[in-house]
Amino acid sequence: EAQVTQNPRYLITVTGKKLTVTCSQNMNHEYMSWYRQDPGLGLRQIYYSMNVEVTDKGDVPEGYKVSRKEKRNFPLILESPSPNQTSLYFCASRLSSFNQPQHFGDGTRLSIL
Amino acid sequence: GQQVMQIPQYQHVQEGEDFTTYCNSSTTLSNIQWYKQRPGGHPVFLIQLVKSGEVKKQKRLTFQFGEAKKNSSLHITATQTTDVGTYFCAGAGKLIFGQGTTLQVKP
Repeated sequence: EAQVTQNPRYLITVTGKKLTVTCSQNMNHEYMSWYRQDPGLGLRQIYYSMNVEVTDKGDVPEGYKVSRKEKRNFPLILESPSPNQTSLYFCASRLSSFNQPQHFGDGTRLSIL
Repeated sequence: GQQVMQIPQYQHVQEGEDFTTYCNSSTTLSNIQWYKQRPGGHPVFLIQLVKSGEVKKQKRLTFQFGEAKKNSSLHITATQTTDVGTYFCAGAGKLIFGQGTTLQVKP
């Protein structure tokens, strides 16, 4: 089954404790991205990747890192999480960077105390 | 930078009433996509519009792309409880999302 898989689905952690949210897709998609969703603000892009070893900042990249060493994986790293990063995070992928439907993972709800 | 605005932010309707959400961009869009997110779920792709003035239908849903390719709308005829959720528009290659319109349908 074609899908985008995120882990964990839920995480409660404390300020400053490094964490990684994994994202994997099995559709051989070139383009992957991370979004955060906050009430009233919609989906805001954090980082995106157009292919392996090619990543770029989205609209809200501060406090986040990403890597794209393999085509299928695009982990999101919070080196020193802070409470303002408490949010619902979605990983998404699409075939290429142009005019393609985007497939989303089920989301990761992150709470940072 | 490019901005995509959606109105209204929330809409409550009685089942059977019609519903419309509007999407406006600060710049001309090469295409626009619409997504639906059910409560507790993730956004799911509905449709893409590419041509100026394009109109597409999916059963009770009608999607329009403006002549100037700077605005779009989604109209639902005779809403049902299954239509509940948040509808997002997203524009251009990087897919800049609007804030979404959350639809509540009262049975």
